[in-house]
Amino acid sequence: NAGVTQTPKFQVLKTGQSMTLQCAQDMNHNSMYWYRQDPGMGLRLIYYSASEGTTDKGEVPNGYNVSRLNKREFSLRLESAAPSQTSVYFCASSEAGREAWGYTFGSGTRLTVV
Amino acid sequence: TQLLEQSPQFLSIQEGENLTVYCNSSSVFSSLQWYRQEPGEGPVLLVTVVTGGEVKKLKRLTFQFGDARKDSSLHITAAQPGDTGLYLCGSSNTGKLIFGQGTTLQVKP
Repeated sequence: NAGVTQTPKFQVLKTGQSMTLQCAQDMNHNSMYWYRQDPGMGLRLIYYSASEGTTDKGEVPNGYNVSRLNKREFSLRLESAAPSQTSVYFCASSEAGREAWGYTFGSGTRLTVV
Repeated sequence: TQLLEQSPQFLSIQEGENLTVYCNSSSVFSSLQWYRQEPGEGPVLLVTVVTGGEVKKLKRLTFQFGDARKDSSLHITAAQPGDTGLYLCGSSNTGKLIFGQGTTLQVKP
């Protein structure tokens, strides 16, 4: 099925470890996004990429880096994980200039930092 | 920065009851989207409203967009256990979708 694929689905890290969350979409969308979801806080934008080769900070970028590898793939890296980064991470994509058509989300990566 | 306020945050009702969820902002929305999220999954788009005063229906769900485009509501008629989930409103005035805190709905059989 067409959509957004995230890997891994679950991950436990120790404080200070690093990891990369992978995201790929097969809908030929230009725009891609990373959100984190915490209880009672909805979804908060970490970084986004309006097109291949561009990335911009969202609402909560501290502690994260991103790479738009190509049109399909947008990865999120935690260089030195902290317990405050325990969250569920969602990748999404949309057609540039067509955000009103809606975002397509992946099924999430559940990250625990101990 | 536009903020979206959703209310209520939690709602637990019996099957067959009606309910309304609200989404408000101090700024004007260019458009507003409603999503539903089930446990373990990402949000899924239900509807987009664009025009002030617009009403859209999706089976038992009715979505309204305020005349001034600063508020929206989601009304569910005769709720069913399958309606259980997290309901999120989102707006993308700046090309980046921002969300309200969400309303967690539990419908008991």
